[in-house]
Amino acid sequence: NAGVTQTPKFQVLKTGQSMTLQCAQDMNHNSMYWYRQDPGMGLRLIYYSASEGTTDKGEVPNGYNVSRLNKREFSLRLESAAPSQTSVYFCASSETARRGTGELFFGEGSRLTVL
Amino acid sequence: DQQVKQNSPSLSVQEGRISILNCDYTNSMFDYFLWYKKYPAEGPTFLISISSIKDKNEDGRFTVFLNKSAKHLSLHIVPSQPGDSAVYFCAARVELRNAGKSTFGDGTTLTVKP
Repeated sequence: NAGVTQTPKFQVLKTGQSMTLQCAQDMNHNSMYWYRQDPGMGLRLIYYSASEGTTDKGEVPNGYNVSRLNKREFSLRLESAAPSQTSVYFCASSETARRGTGELFFGEGSRLTVL
Repeated sequence: DQQVKQNSPSLSVQEGRISILNCDYTNSMFDYFLWYKKYPAEGPTFLISISSIKDKNEDGRFTVFLNKSAKHLSLHIVPSQPGDSAVYFCAARVELRNAGKSTFGDGTTLTVKP
C-alpha cells in the first residue's frame, strides 16, 4: 500500500531558483494538504484542497503556489526560493471532513535546503 | 497567537510506567482533537482522536481525555514501552469548506527508558 507518495525526498536549491514538489495519494481521498515543519516546531499549513478543482490558503502561503491536478495529485511550487523556505515539507490527504475525524495520512516528507 | 500549545518539549519515563502528554488550545470552534506520532525521517502517523462532544476515548494502551472548560486535553500511555519513544503532536481540527483544517502544537519528545 503506497498511501501518500512525495517526490523528491531531498532537494538543494540556490536562492531564486524554482521547483515543484509532487504528491500523489491512492486512497481516493477528497482532501489534500501541504504542511511545512521547521526544527522544534509543529506542522504549519501552507495550502489545502478540499476537493478536486479547489485550493485555499493555509497559515503560511506566501512564496508558494499549488495545483490540484486531479483527485490523486496535489503539487506545491516555489517560484523563487528563499533561505526562509528551507524546511521539511509534508503532503497529506484525508477523507471529507463530514465523514469522520478527518485524520491525516502523511507522506514521508521532502527535505528542502535553499542556499 | 498559537492556537494549540504543547508546553512540555520533552518527557522521559521508565518502561512500564504511565506517560502523560498535555495540550492546551484556545479556539472553541475545534470539532476534533487528534494525536499523531512521529519517528525521525518519517511522516507523522495518526494515533488517536476525540470528538469535542466527548470527554474520553480509549484505544488499547492509549487514552485521550478532553476537558472543554479548561480547553485542555491529555494523552495517557499505559504501560509505556521503549517503542513509544517518538515525537507526539497534538492537533485540533476545524471543518472548513468540507476539509478538515488541522492546527498542530510544537510537539513533545517522549523517551521511554528500558
